[in-house]
Amino acid sequence: EVQLVESGGGLIQPGGSLRLSCAASGFSFSSYWMHWVRQPPGRGLVWVSRIKSDGAGTTYADFVKGRFTISRDNAKNTLYLQMDSLRADDTAVYFCARKGYGGKLLDAWGQGTLVTVSS
Amino acid sequence: QSVLTQPPSVSGAPGQMVTISCTGASSNIGADYDVHWYQQLPGAAPRLLIFGNINRASGVPDRFSGSRSGTSASLAITGLQAEDEADYYCQSYDNSLSGYVFGSGTKVNVL
Repeated sequence: EVQLVESGGGLIQPGGSLRLSCAASGFSFSSYWMHWVRQPPGRGLVWVSRIKSDGAGTTYADFVKGRFTISRDNAKNTLYLQMDSLRADDTAVYFCARKGYGGKLLDAWGQGTLVTVSS
Repeated sequence: QSVLTQPPSVSGAPGQMVTISCTGASSNIGADYDVHWYQQLPGAAPRLLIFGNINRASGVPDRFSGSRSGTSASLAITGLQAEDEADYYCQSYDNSLSGYVFGSGTKVNVL
């Protein structure tokens, strides 16, 4: 069974840093591109970032460029999101998701971890 | 502000049909990028419902169907059931943003 389990969320002050993790199991993690998607409280889904299967290529949404860094450790089957210079509008549930084969779709999602940026 | 536009909500009685529209632009749906649909039950993570415009994901009942034309796409739910009450999101790729884009989301209410 495919499983994605996020961790690392919490309450952080504006300007602070946080690193999210996503532990993957039940599939060949190193073969898949992975993504982060976030959902502000009571609002819709917003794509944040993606990383290629070998970690060599990354892409970011404009609103996180220069502040967030996506990475992965294929030996540990784990995806990361390093979040620096956090702002109040970064408050959201952060989901990791797997890119499915055959298209730009997300075919497996974690349960999400809540990040709250507030003083 | 979402790149893809959906109605905030649609409603229907059990057994009826509802349709959710997803309107994009020439840089995403109109550029021939596929549209995918996700269902998010209250308090849960999204799950893939329809991929590649028309294909149902594993385990999705055939009451759900998708279509795409021009710069828009639609999700239809026939034989509406109470368990279909959820938020639904369309998703595509945008070549001007070089990233995935989601719709604003539609809440389906079963009366």
